[in-house]
Amino acid sequence: EVQLVESGGGLVKPGGSLRLSCAASGFTFSSYSMNWVRQAPGKGLEWVSSISSSSSYIYYADSVKGRFTISRDNAKNSLYLQMNSLRAEDTAVYYCARSGLGGAFQHWGQGTLVTVSS
Amino acid sequence: DIQMTQSPSTLSASVGDRVTITCRASQSISSWLAWYQQKQGKAPKLLIYKASSLESGVPSRFSGSGSGTEFTLTISSLQPDDFATYYCQQYNSYSRTFGQGTKVEIK
Repeated sequence: EVQLVESGGGLVKPGGSLRLSCAASGFTFSSYSMNWVRQAPGKGLEWVSSISSSSSYIYYADSVKGRFTISRDNAKNSLYLQMNSLRAEDTAVYYCARSGLGGAFQHWGQGTLVTVSS
Repeated sequence: DIQMTQSPSTLSASVGDRVTITCRASQSISSWLAWYQQKQGKAPKLLIYKASSLESGVPSRFSGSGSGTEFTLTISSLQPDDFATYYCQQYNSYSRTFGQGTKVEIK
């Protein structure tokens, strides 16, 4: 069974940093692209970043480019999101999601809440 | 960036109704479109990929159609478990944009 478990969320002050992790199990992690998606309270889904299976291709939404860094460790079956220069508008539940072979986001974690507030 | 626009934003329907949600892309995305269902407080769930392919385990009352810039998600006979918010997503470009969502409410 595919499992994705996010961790690392919490309360952080504006301008601060946070590192999210996503532990993957139940599939060959190194074979799949991975993604981060966020959802602000009461709002819709927003794609944040994607990384290919070997980290060769990395993409970011304009809203986080230059502040967030996606990475992965295939030996540890883990996905990361380093978030710097956090703003109030980054407050959201952050989901990690595994791409299917066609590209749609086939499996999702339960999410971790990030709150940016003074 | 490719923009995705869903309509309607909210839909009121009864159990047994046929429901259709539309998603329009700002430029052609071929068939690289997915539909997701999200219930309150839960992670999204993939329903349809590549515009019309049903994800394994998803009931056959869900179907998708379209290509290019216009797509639809149809629920043939709405069930109590289907009251939720639905999102489309394009994955034609590196920027995997979502639509704003359509909330299906009980009439």
